[in-house]
Amino acid sequence: QKEVEQNSGPLSVPEGAIASLNCTYSDRGSQSFFWYRQYSGKSPELIMSIYSNGDKEDGRFTAQLNKASQYVSLLIRDSQPSDSATYLCAVRGNTGFQKLVFGTGTRLLVSP
Amino acid sequence: DAEITQSPRHKITETGRQVTLACHQTWNHNNMFWYRQDLGHGLRLIHYSYGVQDTNKGEVSDGYSVSRSNTEDLPLTLESAASSQTSVYFCASSQEGTNSPLHFGNGTRLTVT
Repeated sequence: QKEVEQNSGPLSVPEGAIASLNCTYSDRGSQSFFWYRQYSGKSPELIMSIYSNGDKEDGRFTAQLNKASQYVSLLIRDSQPSDSATYLCAVRGNTGFQKLVFGTGTRLLVSP
Repeated sequence: DAEITQSPRHKITETGRQVTLACHQTWNHNNMFWYRQDLGHGLRLIHYSYGVQDTNKGEVSDGYSVSRSNTEDLPLTLESAASSQTSVYFCASSQEGTNSPLHFGNGTRLTVT
């Protein structure tokens, strides 16, 4: 079992819709969770972080964390074509204190 | 503004050659990391360092080495390049602390022929 799992996609949504990206992790003791966006040929850039159960909102983005289910998600409201990218889920576990483990990413395509 | 600079951006080398990829950060972060990114595998950790003179192996460290002589730099060396090391390499840094995110450099695309 991979430590951090994501559906590779592509996830296709029309412009203006809500995109829902999901991530599961195996280390029950994981402490912090991050979502990165990566455009083709570019480096990952941080868009959201979440540390406690529940929802965290930042503009059009909402991160949701459920530690009991070992599940973290990212909602993108009013999706725009410029949101088309690969979204990487990253988890900092209970071992190897500072290391982040990344999922393989979900490719999101937003059509005009 | 603080940043992480990787060089070169692109590199083509031959099998068996030694190659060094540079990473320089001005964040003054103690933690530095090298990842490689390949289709289907995502970002995989090669080596990491928690401070000067500290280095640790990641999940895919075979054939790679790093050294940390100062806070700003963590060069990655491929001792004898192999075609399997053709990849995109990202350097990253972070502050100490569970909630600290990684800041990434722009990456180096390495091709081993």
